[in-house]
Amino acid sequence: KNQVEQSPQSLIILEGKNCTLQCNYTVSPFSNLRWYKQDTGRGPVSLTIMTFSENTKSNGRYTATLDADTKQSSLHITASQLSDSASYICVVSSFGQAGTALIFGKGTTLSVSS
Amino acid sequence: ETGVTQTPRHLVMGMTNKKSLKCEQHLGHNAMYWYKQSAKKPLELMFVYSLEERVENNSVPSRFSPECPNSSHLFLHLHTLQPEDSALYLCASSLIGGGGEGSYEQYFGPGTRLTVT
Repeated sequence: KNQVEQSPQSLIILEGKNCTLQCNYTVSPFSNLRWYKQDTGRGPVSLTIMTFSENTKSNGRYTATLDADTKQSSLHITASQLSDSASYICVVSSFGQAGTALIFGKGTTLSVSS
Repeated sequence: ETGVTQTPRHLVMGMTNKKSLKCEQHLGHNAMYWYKQSAKKPLELMFVYSLEERVENNSVPSRFSPECPNSSHLFLHLHTLQPEDSALYLCASSLIGGGGEGSYEQYFGPGTRLTVT
């Protein structure tokens, strides 16, 4: 069964600290993996998109990694800011005969406090 | 601003009301989507329209009725909803590639927070 599991479910860190969010998936065939940031009451906004051949991709203070062999991805946030408080959603895309399916994780809720 | 707008942003309706959610995309995309987001659950895909034709309907109850009059607009008509339908309803759009390339990145609107009383 295609699934995306994220951990931790929630996380509280102090401003300025680093943190890493995890995403494990059992999706086949794999097409790509996206990390989205969703602020409270808003729609998700894409942070990174990674294909099978990419191991690391950065977007400012956000760095995503992908290990296609172990089917794991991580999102590392450096020098966290209060504005990083949001839900981070891992989404795996699978393209098959029926078309493209997006499998969403439940998200990790990050709270950055001062 | 992602180029996908949704109205209204908040809606409170009784179970006997009829209302509609509106989505508009200004990105030149050819596919549009409706998602339901409930607390502590993954986003649930409800409907997909590709080139203005409905291509997916994930066993959504008939009290939800989508409409896509053109590639830029998407509606979700609501009637006789239940309290468990209270959720954030998100619209998204994307480009669908031909030749089996699969879909491109989806851009989401801000959502409509729906409360059914």
